[in-house]
Parts: sequence; structure tokens; C-alpha cells
Amino acid sequence: DGGITQSPKYLFRKEGQNVTLSCEQNLNHDAMYWYRQDPGQGLRLIYYSQIVNDFQKGDIAEGYSVSREKKESFPLTVTSAQKNPTAFYLCASSIYSAGHNEQYFGPGTRLTVT
Amino acid sequence: AQTVTQSQPEMSVQEAETVTLSCTYDTSESDYYLFWYKQPPSRQMILVIRQEAYKQQNATENRFSVNFQKAAKSFSLKISDSQLGDAAMYFCAYRSAKGGSEKLVFGKGTKLTVNP
Repeated sequence: DGGITQSPKYLFRKEGQNVTLSCEQNLNHDAMYWYRQDPGQGLRLIYYSQIVNDFQKGDIAEGYSVSREKKESFPLTVTSAQKNPTAFYLCASSIYSAGHNEQYFGPGTRLTVT
Repeated sequence: AQTVTQSQPEMSVQEAETVTLSCTYDTSESDYYLFWYKQPPSRQMILVIRQEAYKQQNATENRFSVNFQKAAKSFSLKISDSQLGDAAMYFCAYRSAKGGSEKLVFGKGTKLTVNP
């Protein structure tokens, strides 16, 4: 089955620790994205990558970092510099060259930092 | 910068009835795409329907249809014959057609409740 996997579903960390969220896709999509969802806020773009070894900041990149060493993988690191890291994180991917650019989403990771 | 506004934080509908969710957007561009996503309690985002701005015909997917008014920058979603499984958060989203602008801009969502 083709799709996007995110692990783990729930993640707990102590304040001051960095944590990495996994995102893997087997759809052969070029572009991948990370969004953050807070209650009443909708989804906000953190980072996106259009091609391997390249990525761009989204609207709320501060306190986050990413890498794109493989086409299938786009891990997100939430650093200790992120002031309010508790949120629901969604990864997505799309065919870069397609006109309508439909984004497919993973099941998400709920991060709780205490 | 583009913005998307969903003015109805919550809506409710009786099973088998019809409901319309509102969405307006602000952009200076003439070519773009609009989407409605559904997020059920599982929190998986699912694409419901999309509309290309250059198409005058409103998109339809089974019980879901849109009313796209380009001049008014309005993109409402109509759900006909509502089912209990339609209960979810619904998000309207915008994407520029300009090359290198792949990101989606989301509204804050509308929570739809379907009453039996």
C-alpha cells in the first residue's frame, strides 16, 4: 500500500530536549511538507522540501530543523529553542510537477512537552 | 500574502439534510487552486474536493460540491444528503499556481456535527 507513515503517534518529552519526528513516504513524491496544528489555528507550514538535499522555511520555522537526505524521508527535529512545542504535527507529500499539486497527509504525531 | 477565512467555527446539520460551509480568501493572483480537506476524529487529513481558478465550472464529487465565485473570492462547500460519517473538521485551503509556491494556506476550520 502506498502512503505516508509518521511515527510515533504519541510522543512525550521533557522540556529542553530535542526530539525528532519521523515521516516516510513510498508514493515516489518529490515534495514533502511539515505542518503544525494547534487548537483553533488550522495548519501552519513549518518547512517544505521540493527535492532531495534542498528545503525551505515555511511560516513558522523558528525552533525547528529538517533534513532531506532521501526522497522517501523528511524528518523534523523540534529543538529546545522552540518555545511552545506541544502540538499536533502533520507531514504531507505531493508530486512536485503536477499542476493541481494535491497534498497527501500522514496520520500525524501528537507531541507533548512537559 | 494570501489568507483564507472560514467564518463559521461550528455548524450542525440533520442527517440526510444539506449543509453549506463558507470560505473566503484574499489574493492578488489570478491563477490558483482551492481545496476542501476533511479531518475526522482520527485526525487524518483527507482531500474532499479541489477547484482550479481558471475553470468556471464548479467542481463536484458525489455528495460534495462547491460554489466558486472568483470575483467575490468565495469558495463554499455544499454537502448533500449528510451522513453521520461526514462529521469532522473541514478546512478550506489555497495554493498559488505560481511556480515554486507549493505551500497550502489553510483556514482555521469549521467543525461539522451531524445529528441523527
